[in-house]
Amino acid sequence: EIVLTQSPGTLSLSPGDRATLSCRASQSVSSSYLAWYQQKPGQAPRLLIYGASSRATGIPDRFSGSGSGTDFTLTISRLEPEDFAVYYCLQYGRSLVFTFGPGTKVDIK
Amino acid sequence: EVQLVESGGGLVQPGRSLRLSCAASGFTFDDYAMHWVRQAPGKGLEWVSGISWNSGSIGYADSVKGRFTISRDNAKNSLYLQMHGLRAEDTALYYCAKASYYDSPFDFWGQGTLVTVSS
Repeated sequence: EIVLTQSPGTLSLSPGDRATLSCRASQSVSSSYLAWYQQKPGQAPRLLIYGASSRATGIPDRFSGSGSGTDFTLTISRLEPEDFAVYYCLQYGRSLVFTFGPGTKVDIK
Repeated sequence: EVQLVESGGGLVQPGRSLRLSCAASGFTFDDYAMHWVRQAPGKGLEWVSGISWNSGSIGYADSVKGRFTISRDNAKNSLYLQMHGLRAEDTALYYCAKASYYDSPFDFWGQGTLVTVSS
């Protein structure tokens, strides 16, 4: 089973800052079956990035994903007030099993 | 408008059973894989189970394997999760979510139904 590790656990930044979130897998994630989700308090998660680097429908271009193999990154180029939330990476589809990372909280400094 | 509405949650004693439902609308249900994902209070997301459009592919997290059963009724646009032998650690908000294929990310989620396992 693939284990995902996210770092840092919490990222304290100001609006306008650049945020860099990391997701590391215990084994290679084939075909970049790696996605990123944003979750705000009291809301369901929202898909941001799939296939490691493709933005989901309606996602602003300040969000970008990169990486391959075992190391993946979500970058938010300039934080907007609505971007302060928890972000999860997800490995999907390998052997019919899906795995989330523990999450990174982006909060206001 | 795509909608996923979960129901069936509640307070249940340890060892008992519960059946969750997810009613889908606004999209062609039998074109999509469906999943259950849970979130314990104040914790992260945990994938629970998934099922392909025709029930040909089904998967479970190790934490629920042998206790939970996922199923779907395409004629009723509904997804189900039958849960047996419930434990305190199954306490969580249970979301249903849809995906284009079984091995695709979840592109839309419901608002969840809360399951509390306690004596």
